[in-house]
Amino acid sequence: DAGVTQSPTHLIKTRGQQVTLRCSPKSGHDTVSWYQQALGQGPQFIFQYYEEEERQRGNFPDRFSGHQFPNYSSELNVNALLLGDSALYLCASSPSRTGGDDFGQGTRLTVV
Amino acid sequence: GENVEQHPSTLSVQEGDSAVIKCTYSDSASNYFPWYKQELGKGPQLIIDIRSNVGEKKDQRIAVTLNKTAKHFSLHITETQPEDSAVYFCAASDSGGGADGLTFGKGTHLIIQP
Repeated sequence: DAGVTQSPTHLIKTRGQQVTLRCSPKSGHDTVSWYQQALGQGPQFIFQYYEEEERQRGNFPDRFSGHQFPNYSSELNVNALLLGDSALYLCASSPSRTGGDDFGQGTRLTVV
Repeated sequence: GENVEQHPSTLSVQEGDSAVIKCTYSDSASNYFPWYKQELGKGPQLIIDIRSNVGEKKDQRIAVTLNKTAKHFSLHITETQPEDSAVYFCAASDSGGGADGLTFGKGTHLIIQP
């Protein structure tokens, strides 16, 4: 039974570019949350998707947007990349917003 | 919004000894408190969680205690082993189940000395 899978694992982008990260939730999970983890810090909540809608959002600018598909997979899009967007981006899934989130391995984004 | 403080930032213990990591939170509405273990190059792994209607929960060598009055919760690891070495994060949520997203502490680097 596959857990949460994310792609790509690593990515290098130039400042000002746009990036799309992808996540497939654990089988049986329908809720996907995205987190940003800077080096040496705890993960910070970006937003959560449930039933293809953004349900909750953390303190992140509109440059961060997302989408959830009918099969529950999700994308995180970041526009106009800044050097400060360099981080590990984590996807977490859970069943029907009940917590007990399972995390993926993350996508390491480097902005140069 | 919620603020979670975690201490210590680094904890070194001898193999076989116990380790305790403490967290405090600010939002009295928080009612779900998970703990995650993160190894190098991996995503966080849920190791134990507790909800506000419970004061203590155990799972083999791991236990979590919650004091809602004082707004703090702790992770206890007994009989530590080398594979317990990792970064541990506490988190809190006020939705009763993580529906609003988790607020994490800054992490504790646990080092098990052989």
